Amino acid sequence: ELKVEQNPLFLSMQEGKNYTIYCNYSTTSDRLYWYRQDPGKSLESLFVLLSNGAVKQEGRLMASLDTKARLSTLHITAAVHDLSATYFCAVSPGGSRLTFGEGTQLTVNP
Amino acid sequence: DAGITQSPRHKVTETGTPVTLRCHQTENHRYMYWYRQDPGHGLRLIHYSYGVKDTDKGEVSDGYSVSRSKTEDFLLTLESATSSQTSVYFCAIDRGPYNEQFFGPGTRLTVL
Repeated sequence: ELKVEQNPLFLSMQEGKNYTIYCNYSTTSDRLYWYRQDPGKSLESLFVLLSNGAVKQEGRLMASLDTKARLSTLHITAAVHDLSATYFCAVSPGGSRLTFGEGTQLTVNP
Repeated sequence: DAGITQSPRHKVTETGTPVTLRCHQTENHRYMYWYRQDPGHGLRLIHYSYGVKDTDKGEVSDGYSVSRSKTEDFLLTLESATSSQTSVYFCAIDRGPYNEQFFGPGTRLTVL
């Protein structure tokens, strides 16, 4: 059974600081996805990582993938309040089905 | 906007009643999915469809059935709702070369 674990599950950080969210998964996966969810809203796709060593960046967020370690990271640089949300990683071991992590609830404080 | 709508957006029902949730897409995508979201569990796949009349179970399919008679509509039915099915339900479609999933706005279902 594929397991996807995120840590931390809750993260409170100050504006301007850097931090990393980790996503570990238990079996080989073709690709890895990161999503963002604002409270009471739907999920928004952030990144699709397709191969070992893949790195994608958008604004203050950078995602990377290490398929050998079965690990993806989402790095936040100089956090701002607008980044407060819940972030999910999801993996696709094959085909189109996704298995999601539990989510990391990020709060950025002034 | 991935052209996905869900109806109803909110529903309160009583234990034992049947409930049907609808997902509608306007882009003719082959794959559609139903997830439920609960605190502490992330999103869990209930059922998915890979074409008209082609469906399969996900990891939490017990108590749910689905139908897809047209490409654009994917229906999720709770035959006899239970309180454990109180949740937020999301529909998704699969788009692009990398099977990126795009989500509808969600349906908040409360079973009393």
